[in-house]
Amino acid sequence: ETGVTQTPRHLVMGMTNKKSLKCEQHLGHNAMYWYKQSAKKPLELMFVYNFKEQTENNSVPSRFSPECPNSSHLFLHLHTLQPEDSALYLCASSRQLGGAGGNEQFFGPGTRLTVL
Amino acid sequence: KNQVEQSPQSLIILEGKNCTLQCNYTVSPFSNLRWYKQDTGRGPVSLTIMTFSENTKSNGRYTATLDADTKQSSLHITASQLSDSASYICVVSWGGGSQGNLIFGKGTKLSVKP
Repeated sequence: ETGVTQTPRHLVMGMTNKKSLKCEQHLGHNAMYWYKQSAKKPLELMFVYNFKEQTENNSVPSRFSPECPNSSHLFLHLHTLQPEDSALYLCASSRQLGGAGGNEQFFGPGTRLTVL
Repeated sequence: KNQVEQSPQSLIILEGKNCTLQCNYTVSPFSNLRWYKQDTGRGPVSLTIMTFSENTKSNGRYTATLDADTKQSSLHITASQLSDSASYICVVSWGGGSQGNLIFGKGTKLSVKP
């Protein structure tokens, strides 16, 4: 295990539902990330938090709303999603921001989201 | 434009055989390159990281190479095992120290057959 957990592992929701994804890291890291992984596409960075402050929103639609109450927990609130939002949503954490200096991101197992 | 291209897109080999995965990048300024392994239904896990001055680095049966002049990297898997079946993702870090400065490749899906 990587020290990053995500729940639920699978989620099926209708376009009018509201749901939340949860991520928790047990590594003492300061930075946390949300990524979207679609088939045959590179990982897409969605949001970045550092010391629970949002530092990047990569032009993500407002139907995705992140929340970071502390450095160990990260949520992604979902509402009125579209079928094209179906994907694997990955959470990651790292000791510091970015990839310089060998800073490694540790990924959770992901939440497989299906929007009907 | 910063890009990372991986080839082949997918690969099928027999157990026990060797294989090599390729990663070409046009990222500048270059900081480091990391290879991740992603098993089905799991998140990516780092295999190795290469910095500008490193040419070769091994992790068990995995050997990564880096040619910073041609901006190419390869991941060589020796004596493949069924558990090597996974997607392998090349990730290049650029710039220095800011958030989200990682460029991800699309990955190579490797299937090892008995």
